[in-house]
Amino acid sequence: AQSVTQLDSHVSVSEGTPVLLRCNYSSSYSPSLFWYVQHPNKGLQLLLKYTSAATLVKGINGFEAEFKKSETSFHLTKPSAHMSDAAEYFCVVRSLAGNNRKLIWGLGTSLAVNP
Amino acid sequence: SQTIHQWPATLVQPVGSPLSLECTVEGTSNPNLYWYRQAAGRGLQLLFYSVGIGQISSEVPQNLSASRPQDRQFILSSKKLLLSDSGFYLCAWSGGVGYTFGSGTRLTVV
Repeated sequence: AQSVTQLDSHVSVSEGTPVLLRCNYSSSYSPSLFWYVQHPNKGLQLLLKYTSAATLVKGINGFEAEFKKSETSFHLTKPSAHMSDAAEYFCVVRSLAGNNRKLIWGLGTSLAVNP
Repeated sequence: SQTIHQWPATLVQPVGSPLSLECTVEGTSNPNLYWYRQAAGRGLQLLFYSVGIGQISSEVPQNLSASRPQDRQFILSSKKLLLSDSGFYLCAWSGGVGYTFGSGTRLTVV
């Protein structure tokens, strides 16, 4: 069975400093992994996705994530945080159980960016 | 291009009243459709998914139901709302690897 764990519920960084949001997954086969962002009272937006192609995935707004099979990790990074990056971030693994393509969600990491 | 519409954006309903949230998708056919709920301080919980008209699968027992009367329409309903139904409800569709989410409905049951 697949699962995903976001290791930090809250992360606080200063504007202009690097961002690291950690995610570990569990899967018995090669997974599809995603990062979504949710700004306050808004819907969810896909940041990036890994689907067994290049292990370093580049997404929108300067974010990227690296799939590391040996560490079962898919951490999200950004070299320099911007105030507009303050939001909730979700790491997600896609389940292939049956034929319904269900997503399994982490509990989220709240990112605060301080001026 | 594909778009997904979800309404209303916010809703305040008394306990015991009915509920109907609608979601429609444009620009695609035969999408997989999903209803998720996000409770305060928690992750997303899959409530229902549908792979076709009239085909609904429920993930968790609850006070809600879903229907898919048309290929690109997905409706979330309740006959009598409970306080515990409050939350942020998101509709989503997928036609391949990725998912696209609606803008969500903030439901407050009072």
